[in-house]
Amino acid sequence: AQKITQTQPGMFVQEKEAVTLDCTYDTSDQSYGLFWYKQPSSGEMIFLIYQGSYDEQNATEGRYSLNFQKARKSANLVISASQLGDSAMYFCAMRELNTGFQKLVFGTGTRLLVSP
Amino acid sequence: KAGVTQTPRYLIKTRGQQVTLSCSPISGHRSVSWYQQTPGQGLQFLFEYFSETQRNKGNFPGRFSGRQFSNSRSEMNVSTLELGDSALYLCASSLAGTGNRANEKLFFGSGTQLSVL
Repeated sequence: AQKITQTQPGMFVQEKEAVTLDCTYDTSDQSYGLFWYKQPSSGEMIFLIYQGSYDEQNATEGRYSLNFQKARKSANLVISASQLGDSAMYFCAMRELNTGFQKLVFGTGTRLLVSP
Repeated sequence: KAGVTQTPRYLIKTRGQQVTLSCSPISGHRSVSWYQQTPGQGLQFLFEYFSETQRNKGNFPGRFSGRQFSNSRSEMNVSTLELGDSALYLCASSLAGTGNRANEKLFFGSGTQLSVL
């Protein structure tokens, strides 16, 4: 069974600073994908970044990068130059890739608050 | 390109009623999956539809059902509503399939907030 653990219920960061949100995972699958989503108070789930287990390079999408350490089973999200609009819940998720099934397993989330 | 569209945005129902939620995936996406989000249980997978067939199902009672149409649009239905069904219901779409990185990403809609009184 797959499991995602996010140990930080809440994080605070000042505007323009970088912040790292932690995510560890557990799976017996050899091929899997890791996701980060942002959920503002409006409720929509916004895709941020994706990393396949086969990727040797860390994924980057603008101000977002995923620090993927396969041996440690961690997939931390790094947000550089935080903005006030980054205040939201952040979810780490994973899915296995071999079957094609689209089921995501989510962590409990981290609430990020960016202060001026 | 339009994103995933969910309607309605908000719903208020009473216990015992039934409800139908709608999801239109991103154009060209063939897989639609549904999730329930509650403060107590977090985000939980309900089911996935691909080419009008349910191919994966989460651990929810039979009161939760769904279907997918030939244009990939999907509906989910909850019958005999209970107070505990109050939640944000999120729909996600993807290209699906394997062997292609572009197929691996899932994109969500804004959700339907269901309140059961």
